[in-house]
Amino acid sequence: EPEVTQTPSHQVTQMGQEVILRCVPISNHLYFYWYRQILGQKVEFLVSFYNNEISEKSEIFDDQFSVERPDGSNFTLKIRSTKLEDSAMYFCASRIRGMNTEAFFGQGTRLTVV
Amino acid sequence: EDKVVQSPLSLVVHEGDTVTLNCSYEVTNFRSLLWYKQEKKAPTFLFMLTSSGIEKKSGRLSSILDKKELFSILNITATQTGDSAIYLCAVEAAGNKLTFGGGTRVLVKP
Repeated sequence: EPEVTQTPSHQVTQMGQEVILRCVPISNHLYFYWYRQILGQKVEFLVSFYNNEISEKSEIFDDQFSVERPDGSNFTLKIRSTKLEDSAMYFCASRIRGMNTEAFFGQGTRLTVV
Repeated sequence: EDKVVQSPLSLVVHEGDTVTLNCSYEVTNFRSLLWYKQEKKAPTFLFMLTSSGIEKKSGRLSSILDKKELFSILNITATQTGDSAIYLCAVEAAGNKLTFGGGTRVLVKP
């Protein structure tokens, strides 16, 4: 069964460092997302991406964050200068269409900023 | 601001019991409501509901949506220890992002 894959599964980084989280969405899906879940809190929307551009982003997704689809398969989230409060589980998701279709989530990358 | 509230926060049952999980929402331009099961990491998809009153069923799990009263329930019958997880409700409204509730943690004891 096709699945969304994310790497790495766990990343530890020093405050102020840049990190890139990688995702390979399901191959025929057109809409891609990043969500995050701080330990013990709700899953929160960060950004949606369609047709090689951001279609929507939340207040959390400030100038420190960027997304890219560098080739036909990868979808990346970059955090330029990590802060302690960026520590969270980051989930990538993809959907075949934008509305009224299920979103499939990857296993997540646990980011720990020290 | 879109809001999704789940209740109860947590519950403990014994194998064989039935559980009912609630999800209420206040959103603009509702499109769909989705239920996910989160065990260790990734939320795994259970159901998507778009129309009121039509029950969706998969094995021992079922779910229904009431668009007039703005809520959905997820039922699990004959619970098993493998049903222990956090159950997440998410609503898609204007735009195509999902707004999640805080989840209900279910623990099924043998």
